[in-house]
Amino acid sequence: DQQVKQNSPSLSVQEGRISILNCDYTNSMFDYFLWYKKYPAEGPTFLISISSIKDKNEDGRFTVFLNKSAKHLSLHIVPSQPGDSAVYFCAAGPNYGGSQGNLIFGKGTKLSVKP
Amino acid sequence: DTGVSQDPRHKITKRGQNVTFRCDPISEHNRLYWYRQTLGQGPEFLTYFQNEAQLEKSRLLSDRFSAERPKGSFSTLEIQRTEQGDSAMYLCASSEMTGLFRYEQYFGPGTRLTVT
Repeated sequence: DQQVKQNSPSLSVQEGRISILNCDYTNSMFDYFLWYKKYPAEGPTFLISISSIKDKNEDGRFTVFLNKSAKHLSLHIVPSQPGDSAVYFCAAGPNYGGSQGNLIFGKGTKLSVKP
Repeated sequence: DTGVSQDPRHKITKRGQNVTFRCDPISEHNRLYWYRQTLGQGPEFLTYFQNEAQLEKSRLLSDRFSAERPKGSFSTLEIQRTEQGDSAMYLCASSEMTGLFRYEQYFGPGTRLTVT
């Protein structure tokens, strides 16, 4: 059973507009959430994170929102740029019900930003 | 370059052969992780080390897989008697050991394994 879900396999956005990527999780024991960006043939690149004690974290054009009651987080990219086109993975950890060392990833959302 | 490095970047092998991958983490990071990623999936955890101690192994890590981190620096992942189902991208990551930043794992470029 997937503990971290990204229900949108793809998203297309116009350059300059906002991109919103969503992620849902099922395990209330997750303590920390992260977003990674991945280009083809490269490893995932850490983008931004948020602790479960916060509801928002901002870094430049990237903002992550956490809604613990809904077990939902989202990544906002404003303004979107063509270079943001990549696959975005949501990850959560640790899982106190199981491992304390690993991150659990969603399947990713492919973002395409059109000029 | 002080990022995570992996070697080789690509490996093609015949079924039944053994392969070994190497990972060099960020130098000040005590934790090192191995993940596997297949097409259309996110990275899946295999195992992790804190210094030289292997603290956890996933059910995905069958007895054909073995990982070591002998001096708490670089790590190797060996797959014996490879099968076609082992074809995947093998990713290594590292993180600090303490504080909230221990959750922020930094990934290498990965090793793409193809078993024919």
